Amino acid sequence: QVQLVESGGGVVQPGGSLRLSCAASGFTFSSYGMHWVRQAPGKGLEWVAFIRYDGSNKYYADSVKGRFTISRDNSKNTLYLQMNSLRAEDTAVYYCAKDWLGCFDYWGQGTLVTVSS
Amino acid sequence: QSALTQPASVSGSPGQSITISCTGTSSDVGGYNYVSWYQQHPGKAPKLMIYDVSNRPSGVSNRFSGSKSGNTASLTISGLQAEDEADYYCSSYTSSSSRVFGGGTKLTVL
Repeated sequence: QVQLVESGGGVVQPGGSLRLSCAASGFTFSSYGMHWVRQAPGKGLEWVAFIRYDGSNKYYADSVKGRFTISRDNSKNTLYLQMNSLRAEDTAVYYCAKDWLGCFDYWGQGTLVTVSS
Repeated sequence: QSALTQPASVSGSPGQSITISCTGTSSDVGGYNYVSWYQQHPGKAPKLMIYDVSNRPSGVSNRFSGSKSGNTASLTISGLQAEDEADYYCSSYTSSSSRVFGGGTKLTVL
């Protein structure tokens, strides 16, 4: 069965950096695009970034463009999100999600990122 | 990348039907049939309920249905059950190849 397991969350100071990972299993990772979606405490879902199956194209929300970088290693079945210049408003649970026909068909359990001094 | 517009809350009694709307623009909901709906229970990850406007993934109850007219998509839940109480989010593909979510709707089963 499809499994997505995020890791790398934690507490970081404003201006700091963090790299999230998402380990995928149960499907052919190299055949599917992948997303990062976040949810601030008590708030709604916000799409963050998307990477095509082969890494050839990447798309970002305006709120993270220039600060976050999505990448993948198909040999390791792993998705990444490098987050730099972090702000308090980046505090959220970050989910990785598999892309399928334009939607998010499988989600991980999420990893919490807290940006605070 | 403005969020799609959903009502903050809806409610219904067991056995009744409710509809949640999701309004966007011609650059997202109105321009593509890539509208999807997600159910999220507290503390849990979202779950795909409807994709491509009106299709149900395997395992999702046929009490859930979706539709679209112009720039507005809708999710209808018929025969409401207590376990349907959750937050619901719509999402759409956009003209900039990004994705956008609605603000979410809290469904209360009375």
